[in-house]
Amino acid sequence: GENVEQHPSTLSVQEGDSAVIKCTYSDSASNYFPWYKQELGKGPQLIIDIRSNVGEKKDQRIAVTLNKTAKHFSLHITETQPEDSAVYFCAAFFPGTGNQFYFGTGTSLTVIP
Amino acid sequence: DGGITQSPKYLFRKEGQNVTLSCEQNLNHDAMYWYRQDPGQGLRLIYYSQIVNDFQKGDIAEGYSVSREKKESFPLTVTSAQKNPTAFYLCASTPQTGGSSNQPQHFGDGTRLSIL
Repeated sequence: GENVEQHPSTLSVQEGDSAVIKCTYSDSASNYFPWYKQELGKGPQLIIDIRSNVGEKKDQRIAVTLNKTAKHFSLHITETQPEDSAVYFCAAFFPGTGNQFYFGTGTSLTVIP
Repeated sequence: DGGITQSPKYLFRKEGQNVTLSCEQNLNHDAMYWYRQDPGQGLRLIYYSQIVNDFQKGDIAEGYSVSREKKESFPLTVTSAQKNPTAFYLCASTPQTGGSSNQPQHFGDGTRLSIL
């Protein structure tokens, strides 16, 4: 079945450094890839997304890249700040049966002041 | 402000008891979803509904039931048949469903269900 793998599961960086989280997906028909940030006791919040017709998208300190051939996409956070500490989830939309989103298992990011 | 409201925030279930989790949205979204979140397992789809009076099973529907009588409401019942109900439950919605016009999901702040 459809699958999204996410790495690493935990990530610690010094404040000001960059953080990179990677995801791979199984279905080449996937055409939409959102990234969510989840703080403790809260629901996931969309932070950036990318569609399959572009290779990169940037929004201030956050960027996402997509390699359709390799079926992987990555989240890049530059100049990290303590408030970036949270759990980050990638997701892939699988058109076809059910038109469902499948989620990665999450990355717990800690930014050390 | 538009958004998704889940209630209660915390819920406790006794053995053999059914419990219902509420999800209400005022975003005028067509599609609504229920996910279960367990540590280290990401979000798994329980049920989803693309239109009023219609819903489909997700990957882990056993032991759960839903209804969609109104566009803004999508309650989830955790039945006594669900033997391991302890988890964080998230409700989400999107403006429209499927095809090439997929949209990001908006999430509520979840309900944490525990067994007494």
